Amino acid sequence: NAGVMQNPRHLVRRRGQEARLRCSPMKGHSHVYWYRQLPEEGLKFMVYLQKENIIDESGMPKERFSAEFPKEGPSILRIQQVVRGDSAAYFCASSPRPVQETQYFGPGTRLLVL
Amino acid sequence: GNSVTQMEGPVTLSEEAFLTINCTYTATGYPSLFWYVQYPGEGLQLLLKATKADDKGSNKGFEATYRKETTSFHLEKGSVQVSDSAVYFCALSSNAGGTSYGKLTFGQGTILTVHP
Repeated sequence: NAGVMQNPRHLVRRRGQEARLRCSPMKGHSHVYWYRQLPEEGLKFMVYLQKENIIDESGMPKERFSAEFPKEGPSILRIQQVVRGDSAAYFCASSPRPVQETQYFGPGTRLLVL
Repeated sequence: GNSVTQMEGPVTLSEEAFLTINCTYTATGYPSLFWYVQYPGEGLQLLLKATKADDKGSNKGFEATYRKETTSFHLEKGSVQVSDSAVYFCALSSNAGGTSYGKLTFGQGTILTVHP
């Protein structure tokens, strides 16, 4: 059973460009969480999605960030008009059910904004 | 709101030394508690978990006991190895009020370095 897949593993963007991060959950998992890890900090929750629905986006910045989890295909975290402060590691996690279930993490996408 | 506080690092030990990494939490309701480990350049791996008071999670020689009275979940290992060098994160998941949906709240992480 393949684990959580994320791509790309490393992404370099210039200020003002768009960054698109992909996450394929484990087989059979329909719950996806995105977290951001800023340098020297712990992980912070961004958004929780089920198939075709955003359930909780309380950790997402109000502007430039969006997420989706379509019926077919991976979950996408999109950052428009990136700024240097967006440089971080972005981790996706999946679980078979929400609440008290172990979340399985992908290897992360390390975004560097020049 | 929920919060997790870990002892500040980094922690440097010699091989076979005893390890303790302190973790305390604040949460509404009855959270589940987790320890995750992150090796350089990789994602997080679940190390152990406990879902109710007095439960003990254990894996690979690591242990942690869910102490509701002290709101703590300290990580211990009796004899560390060089291969244990990594960053360790304490985390909680709480669904009090039905609005948390299992999202994890993490501590800031503790860097552990074990020397031969």
